[in-house]
Amino acid sequence: DAGVIQSPRHEVTEMGQEVTLRCKPISGHDYLFWYRQTMMRGLELLIYFNNNVPIDDSGMPEDRFSAKMPNASFSTLKIQPSEPRDSAVYFCASRWTGGDTGELFFGEGSRLTVL
Amino acid sequence: SQQGEEDPQALSIQEGENATMNCSYKTSINNLQWYRQNSGRGLVHLILIRSNEREKHSGRLRVTLDTSKKSSSLLITASRAADTASYFCATVPPSIQVSGGGADGLTFGKGTHLIIQP
Repeated sequence: DAGVIQSPRHEVTEMGQEVTLRCKPISGHDYLFWYRQTMMRGLELLIYFNNNVPIDDSGMPEDRFSAKMPNASFSTLKIQPSEPRDSAVYFCASRWTGGDTGELFFGEGSRLTVL
Repeated sequence: SQQGEEDPQALSIQEGENATMNCSYKTSINNLQWYRQNSGRGLVHLILIRSNEREKHSGRLRVTLDTSKKSSSLLITASRAADTASYFCATVPPSIQVSGGGADGLTFGKGTHLIIQP
């Protein structure tokens, strides 16, 4: 398997623009997580899905952030409008319930810079 | 949700020496996991220790777990320059064993940044 695939790897945009980050989880995994990593806050859990249904979005910082999972193989995290403080590395991770260990498989991340 | 806190925040040692990192957590667990993150990369799972285990080995890695103290340690023996990375611990709640899915995403501390000096 190719692992969790994220795109784009790097995004530079200007304040006020819409940003869409994409994630393809490992096939067969039924949980998908979005994390944000910054030096100040470390790794923060933003939202996670089970079988494409959002379970907990309490980590989403503001209404400017939204996430969708239209099917088992694709998820998006959208920021509209973007602000400089959104600059961070955003990670997608997935796991399989049947594994019964909770081990997460991470993508390589999307580094977002908002000017 | 569960949370692991790593200690120290940063550690610099000479190549060939052993590196020890610690993790403390707050509530009951099903298992505790250690992850490594190389610069500019995603986290990679290293090793998992279950709540009924006290020690586990994998190659140059040795993990211990003390559930009475709610703490774990990760030992890397005979360190190499390639071990330079950040190391994170994360815990999984007991519910994951019952439901098969768990109620939480793993939560991570800020990690221990390990530098191996050549």
